[in-house]
Amino acid sequence: DSGVTQTPKHLITATGQRVTLRCSPRSGDLSVYWYQQSLDQGLQFLIQYYNGEERAKGNILERFSAQQFPDLHSELNLSSLELGDSALYFCASSVKDGTHTQYFGPGTRLTVL
Amino acid sequence: AQSVTQLDSQVPVFEEAPVELRCNYSSSVSVYLFWYVQYPNQGLQLLLKYLSGSTLVESINGFEAEFNKSQTSFHLRKPSVHISDTAEYFCAVSESYIPTFGRGTSLIVHP
Repeated sequence: DSGVTQTPKHLITATGQRVTLRCSPRSGDLSVYWYQQSLDQGLQFLIQYYNGEERAKGNILERFSAQQFPDLHSELNLSSLELGDSALYFCASSVKDGTHTQYFGPGTRLTVL
Repeated sequence: AQSVTQLDSQVPVFEEAPVELRCNYSSSVSVYLFWYVQYPNQGLQLLLKYLSGSTLVESINGFEAEFNKSQTSFHLRKPSVHISDTAEYFCAVSESYIPTFGRGTSLIVHP
């Protein structure tokens, strides 16, 4: 158990819909990262938050957005969903100890029908 | 810009045989290197990492990796694999706090 929690574990929805994925980092970790894992693209970095502020952006679509709240949990919002958005979405957290080590949650499997 | 190449998408081996999973990276600066393992239906877990110092790093379950700066490689090895080592293995490189992951190597251990 990494200490990072993600809900829900599975999500099935239809094209055009909007969903919210939730992540709670390990106790004490200020950084949260979101990744998308699919068979064709591999593990892609989406976005990073540090202590409530957006720190870095990767291959995140404009239809996707995220935020980190004062209690440090984070939400990833996916809207106008397309079939190609079906993937595993992982959240990871890290502590600012200089080691760049990330701790991953169990993931949310999103299926868009 | 940093990048990672995992040369094999799938490596089948028999139980108790040795295995090497290959990883090459490119980066313009000093980097940190990682191997993560993903078991079926789970998230990634850190297996081992190279930050500095000894170029040979070991994990608690018998894996080791050697940082080779001249060949820009960080290959993962285990002298004798178990069925339970069947998983997806990801090599990652980090210049900053955003790592770049390879496409992964599926290690399949047959009895």
